Amino acid sequence: EVQLVESGGGLVQPGGSLRLSCAASGFTFNIYDMHWVRQAAGKGLEWVSGIGTAFETYSPDSVKGRFTISRENAKNSLYLQMNNLRVGDTAVYYCARAPAGSGFSIDYWGQGTLVTVSS
Amino acid sequence: QSALIQPASVSGSPGQSITISCTGTSSDVGGFNYVSWFQQLPGKAPKLLIYEVNNRPSGVSSRFSGSKSGNTASLTISGLQADDEADFYCSSYTRTSTVLFGGGTKLTVL
Repeated sequence: EVQLVESGGGLVQPGGSLRLSCAASGFTFNIYDMHWVRQAAGKGLEWVSGIGTAFETYSPDSVKGRFTISRENAKNSLYLQMNNLRVGDTAVYYCARAPAGSGFSIDYWGQGTLVTVSS
Repeated sequence: QSALIQPASVSGSPGQSITISCTGTSSDVGGFNYVSWFQQLPGKAPKLLIYEVNNRPSGVSSRFSGSKSGNTASLTISGLQADDEADFYCSSYTRTSTVLFGGGTKLTVL
């Protein structure tokens, strides 16, 4: 059974940093692209970052220079380092996988971890 | 980049069919066959319903179907059931190697 379990969320002050982790199991981690997607309370989904099987990374302009995605295949783990956090970054952050070469077509999601940026 | 455009809400009676549209541009929906649809129940993670425009993962009911014409993709739900009530999102790969989501559509089963 595919499982994606996020951790590392919590309360942080504006300008602070947080590192999210995602533990993957039930599939061959290193042959999948992996992504982070967030959802503010009562709002829609927003793609945050993606990383391919060759460790190439992708992200929207809204987080470039502040968020860094990485993966550690030996530990079946995905990470998101978030720096210079803003109140607008408050959201549930989901870890998700996508088959390589599928145009980032997400097929499984974790249950999410809540990040709250507030003073 | 702006989100893909979806209607904020749609409704239908049990047994009816409804269609949710997802409008983008030639740089995303119209340019690639990488459109997906997700269902999100309250308080839950999204669940994949359709990938690559019109493909259903195993385990997803055949009542859900997808299509695309030009820059607009569509999700059709036939034989509407009470437990179909949820939020629905489309997504698309883009020319700049990013992912765009639609703003979401709330389905109400009357």
